[in-house]
Amino acid sequence: KQEVTQIPAALSVPEGENLVLNCSFTDSAIYNLQWFRQDPGKGLTSLLLIQSSQREQTSGRLNASLDKSSGRSTLYIAASQPGDSATYLCAVSPPGAGSYQLTFGKGTKLSVIP
Amino acid sequence: GAGVSQSPSNKVTEKGKDVELRCDPISGHTALYWYRQRLGQGLEFLIYFQGNSAPDKSGLPSDRFSAERTGESVSTLTIQRTQQEDSAVYLCASGTGGNEQFFGPGTRLTVL
Repeated sequence: KQEVTQIPAALSVPEGENLVLNCSFTDSAIYNLQWFRQDPGKGLTSLLLIQSSQREQTSGRLNASLDKSSGRSTLYIAASQPGDSATYLCAVSPPGAGSYQLTFGKGTKLSVIP
Repeated sequence: GAGVSQSPSNKVTEKGKDVELRCDPISGHTALYWYRQRLGQGLEFLIYFQGNSAPDKSGLPSDRFSAERTGESVSTLTIQRTQQEDSAVYLCASGTGGNEQFFGPGTRLTVL
């Protein structure tokens, strides 16, 4: 059974710092990996999706990398801002017909202090 | 355009009562998903609808849980004889059946 772990569970940084969030998964047979942002009362927003054949994806100040063989992904946030404060979730999907069944980590709660 | 909406946003009920949670997907989305997020836990997949195909109910935790979807529109998640361990945020997502899932704001269920 796939398990997804996110470290740290919570992180507090001053505004302007660069930071890295970590995600690891136990079964390297994945279809893709996604990073989501969760704001209270607003559900989840997809940030980046990396297919299993890719090594990284970038969007603005966000860069996600994937090392499938070692079961790891990182989300790099450059020049953090208070508006980045949220919970960040990592999710992986299995290959095959059930690729819609995402397995989520518990998330990293990020606080960016002005 | 409008995103995924869910109602109610909050629901408090007594142990043993039945509850219905509603999800309105994005118009035109053929796929609809329900997830549960218990406090301090990751999201758990519950059920998946895709068009007129039989739903994937493999994530439903017990026979007290059921879900229906009317065509490619509204879905309801029903929990019968609620228990305290059912307390969670229930999230709905919709999509076109590909990689991307668009999530609603969730319904926070509290069972007293």
